[in-house]
Amino acid sequence: AAGVIQSPRHLIKEKRETATLKCYPIPRHDTVYWYQQGPGQDPQFLISFYEKMQSDKGSIPDRFSAQQFSDYHSELNMSSLELGDSALYFCASRRGLEETQYFGPGTRLLVL
Amino acid sequence: SQQGEEDPQALSIQEGENATMNCSYKTSINNLQWYRQNSGRGLVHLILIRSNEREKHSGRLRVTLDTSKKSSSLLITASRAADTASYFCATDRETSGSRLTFGEGTQLTVNP
Repeated sequence: AAGVIQSPRHLIKEKRETATLKCYPIPRHDTVYWYQQGPGQDPQFLISFYEKMQSDKGSIPDRFSAQQFSDYHSELNMSSLELGDSALYFCASRRGLEETQYFGPGTRLLVL
Repeated sequence: SQQGEEDPQALSIQEGENATMNCSYKTSINNLQWYRQNSGRGLVHLILIRSNEREKHSGRLRVTLDTSKKSSSLLITASRAADTASYFCATDRETSGSRLTFGEGTQLTVNP
């Protein structure tokens, strides 16, 4: 069965650089969620989109922005990167009113 | 602050033994889900229990939910070395399909 695809899987950036993370949800899934997991921590919700509109917003820094495109893929844009942004970034998708969110493998971002 | 707290934070057992992990949460929920994560990799959905359910089984997994105490437990029976991972509970608030709020996770080590 198709799963959530995230790219890139690993990313190394310098401080103050920008990064773009991509997420391709499971086909026919219309809701996308982004989570951030710092080292040794639990995942923290950042933002979600339903049918290309922002549906919920969590503790996402103003330096970050995201959107969902017409093909339902989503991108998380991160600017002015800080050392503390180093984390595993997960995308999850869900279909309609189904309750389960399916997570991608994550993008590991390292900011030097 | 975290929605969920899990205990124990770390659990080490021998193969064949049962492992029990507990999770507490603070707000009303629509459902509670358990996820597994191998060493900083992706989150794998294990089981979902709705707020009107008290117990659910899936293979070697047994989940209980006590909404009056705002707590849940995950029991893994006849553990295997391959069960070694971090286990997170995550709650979905009363509005179905909303963000997941994760607990702090239990690191389970199953020794061969």
